[in-house]
Amino acid sequence: AQSVTQLDSQVPVFEEAPVELRCNYSSSVSVYLFWYVQYPNQGLQLLLKYLSGSTLVKGINGFEAEFNKSQTSFHLRKPSVHISDTAEYFCAVTVGGGKLIFGQGTELSVKP
Amino acid sequence: DTEVTQTPKHLVMGMTNKKSLKCEQHMGHRAMYWYKQKAKKPPELMFVYSYEKLSINESVPSRFSPECPNSSLLNLHLHALQPEDSALYLCASSPPSLDSETQYFGPGTRLLVL
Repeated sequence: AQSVTQLDSQVPVFEEAPVELRCNYSSSVSVYLFWYVQYPNQGLQLLLKYLSGSTLVKGINGFEAEFNKSQTSFHLRKPSVHISDTAEYFCAVTVGGGKLIFGQGTELSVKP
Repeated sequence: DTEVTQTPKHLVMGMTNKKSLKCEQHMGHRAMYWYKQKAKKPPELMFVYSYEKLSINESVPSRFSPECPNSSLLNLHLHALQPEDSALYLCASSPPSLDSETQYFGPGTRLLVL
């Protein structure tokens, strides 16, 4: 069975600082990896995904993530955050078949 | 049309009511999903429809009844719900081909059961 661990439940950061949200997964087979963002009272928006190919994936809003197979990680990074990046971020994994397994989420709080 | 829409945005219902949630997409996606999300928690998968057939039911109580009348529409019929069923209900869809593992979510319906 697959599992996802988001290592930080809350990440406070000042505006214009860099940020990294950590995600580790467990699986005995190849996986597809995703990061979603959820703003208050909204649905989930796809930030980026790794399906195959280049391990460095660029997404929307200046976010990027690197797939590291040896460390089973898929950490999300942004070099300079804005107040508007304040939201809940979910890492998710699937091995196919429609079952998306989510991490518990990381609340990113950007302070002025 | 590049989005998943859900109606209504908010719903309040009593425990004896019958109501339905609706989800639509016109992107040609052939898999559609229902999730339940409680506050401060990740979404939990409820049902998956693939090519209009139910392919996954995550042991959801029978008071939730999904329906997929056509490839663009997904309903969730609600009957005799409990207060603990209050949550955000999210619909998602995924395309049929090379990107079939990517799920695109709607804005959700926030349900309150009194």
